[in-house]
Amino acid sequence: DTGVSQDPRHKITKRGQNVTFRCDPISEHNRLYWYRQTLGQGPEFLTYFQNEAQLEKSRLLSDRFSAERPKGSFSTLEIQRTEQGDSAMYLCASSLDRGHGGYTFGSGTRLTVV
Amino acid sequence: SQQGEEDPQALSIQEGENATMNCSYKTSINNLQWYRQNSGRGLVHLILIRSNEREKHSGRLRVTLDTSKKSSSLLITASRAADTASYFCATVASGAGSYQLTFGKGTKLSVIP
Repeated sequence: DTGVSQDPRHKITKRGQNVTFRCDPISEHNRLYWYRQTLGQGPEFLTYFQNEAQLEKSRLLSDRFSAERPKGSFSTLEIQRTEQGDSAMYLCASSLDRGHGGYTFGSGTRLTVV
Repeated sequence: SQQGEEDPQALSIQEGENATMNCSYKTSINNLQWYRQNSGRGLVHLILIRSNEREKHSGRLRVTLDTSKKSSSLLITASRAADTASYFCATVASGAGSYQLTFGKGTKLSVIP
């Protein structure tokens, strides 16, 4: 297991299109997180899963955003009807517990909406 | 929303010098973590300090935490060009059911060879 994998690395889409990103966490990690990072800012929390249950959602996660984690393994983040303001780096992280060992982040998916 | 601020926003030093970055936060915390991010990449966990700890070391890194002032500092000793990156502090709030990391805006460190 080489860490948290995210796919794709880059995505360019036209405004109004739907996009889906995938995250494969470290296999023994039961917690999975999505963050969004815009240029010059720190990451902002979007949502959190414990196993397959989505336990926490930020108000940043509008109804155009949906995240799933079927069977508590990989996760997907879908953005419907993309807007230019959705352009950002989308980061996935996983952890074993309450973060006492730190979180392991993936390399991110950079989304550009044109 | 961002938890707090890192200071300075940018720091440029010569290789071999020490680099100190500060972080302030707003709410009670369970722990505070520091991460490094190379340009356009994901974040790498550096060190975690719990709210009942005051100082922690890991290799060339030294972290202090002052919960009365709601502040932390990260010291990188004998810096190397490879330390060039953005550094973020992030907190986990105290209280049951709190798992998310809340990040500051980061300090951009440049180490000149």
